[in-house]
Amino acid sequence: GDSVTQMEGPVTLSEEAFLTINCTYTATGYPSLFWYVQYPGEGLQLLLKATKADDKGSNKGFEATYRKETTSFHLEKGSVQVSDSAVYFCAPQGSNYQLIWGAGTKLIIKP
Amino acid sequence: DTAVSQTPKYLVTQMGNDKSIKCEQNLGHDTMYWYKQDSKKFLKIMFSYNNKELIINETVPNRFSPKSPDKAHLNLHINSLELGDSAVYFCASSQDLGSGANVLTFGAGSRLTVL
Repeated sequence: GDSVTQMEGPVTLSEEAFLTINCTYTATGYPSLFWYVQYPGEGLQLLLKATKADDKGSNKGFEATYRKETTSFHLEKGSVQVSDSAVYFCAPQGSNYQLIWGAGTKLIIKP
Repeated sequence: DTAVSQTPKYLVTQMGNDKSIKCEQNLGHDTMYWYKQDSKKFLKIMFSYNNKELIINETVPNRFSPKSPDKAHLNLHINSLELGDSAVYFCASSQDLGSGANVLTFGAGSRLTVL
């Protein structure tokens, strides 16, 4: 069945460090792929998305590229800030159009 | 103007009580959802409605009953609350379930604590 595996957290980095959060998935066909972010005490919000192979989604300095050959959608940012501290969720869209949620990766950025 | 609003934001109650959480969206979306997020941040879909019709009903105790009076509202009623029901409940909406990129807009969450 459809599934997603996300890098286990917490991930702790210093400000201005490079960030990678890994995400791989198993799904039928070519699903749309999403990253959502949840800041402390808030609901989830869409961070970025990609709808076809080789597409790159980007927002707020974050990027992720739809890699069909490796069924991956890793999240990257070149220089993280304290304000990026949050929980990040990878979510491919399953065959029934429902999102398949990863376990979430907590990111902690230290000044 | 909040896109997806939930009330109440916090709910503290005793075991055995009945409580409701309300959700409203002003985005004109056709589909609404209830999710449960546990203390480890794991997110689980509970229900989904499309134009007031129940389309997803995951394995959830029948103490949980959703109700959608119109496509802008989706409420969640919980009977006979148990300790394990303590969680954050999120309402969400999306334009159209069948679209190629089903983007969800979430509410801020309702934190339920059962004592």
